[in-house]
Amino acid sequence: QKEVEQNSGPLSVPEGAIASLNCTYSDRGSQSFFWYRQYSGKSPELIMFIYSNGDKEDGRFTAQLNKASQYVSLLIRDSQPSDSATYLCAVWPGGGYQKVTFGTGTKLQVIP
Amino acid sequence: DAMVIQNPRYQVTQFGKPVTLSCSQTLNHNVMYWYQQKSSQAPKLLFHYYDKDFNNEADTPDNFQSRRPNTSFCFLDIRSPGLGDAAMYLCATSRGMGSRDYEQYFGPGTRLTVT
Repeated sequence: QKEVEQNSGPLSVPEGAIASLNCTYSDRGSQSFFWYRQYSGKSPELIMFIYSNGDKEDGRFTAQLNKASQYVSLLIRDSQPSDSATYLCAVWPGGGYQKVTFGTGTKLQVIP
Repeated sequence: DAMVIQNPRYQVTQFGKPVTLSCSQTLNHNVMYWYQQKSSQAPKLLFHYYDKDFNNEADTPDNFQSRRPNTSFCFLDIRSPGLGDAAMYLCATSRGMGSRDYEQYFGPGTRLTVT
């Protein structure tokens, strides 16, 4: 059973701080990693994806991947109240027609 | 803008009364997925179509069926909804299912209530 684990939170950070969200996965051979933002009552929105070890930056968001330690992180710099949402980590194990596995998400609260 | 559209956004049905949810996409993606998501849970994949090739998840109840009449449209049929089927139903698309084309784009979802 391939697993993706996230701390459910809530993770509370003050406005302007860096929020750090973590995700661990069980399948060492996993190849693709995705972060989705989901506001309450809404659908998930893809915000970042990463395939290679290291960091990937997009605006205020940075995804960090460490395949040896089997974790992927999402950093949100200069956190805003509008970043308050649940962040879902998703992992694709590789191989044809393998499905993506989602974590249950971490709820982030940015305090003004 | 290219997008994934779901209708209706909210659906109320009676216990046992069949219901159909629809999804359309203008992304011209090959793969369309249906997920069920309940409160504070991860999205649960029900099935997907890769072009016309239907793939059912092993634990998807027989009560759930799907149709994809063309590239743009996909339907979720719930033949006899039970109270436990009340959830958000999410349609998603992706270009493919390989390493560099598996980004999934979600529609706004349909919130199903069963009375």
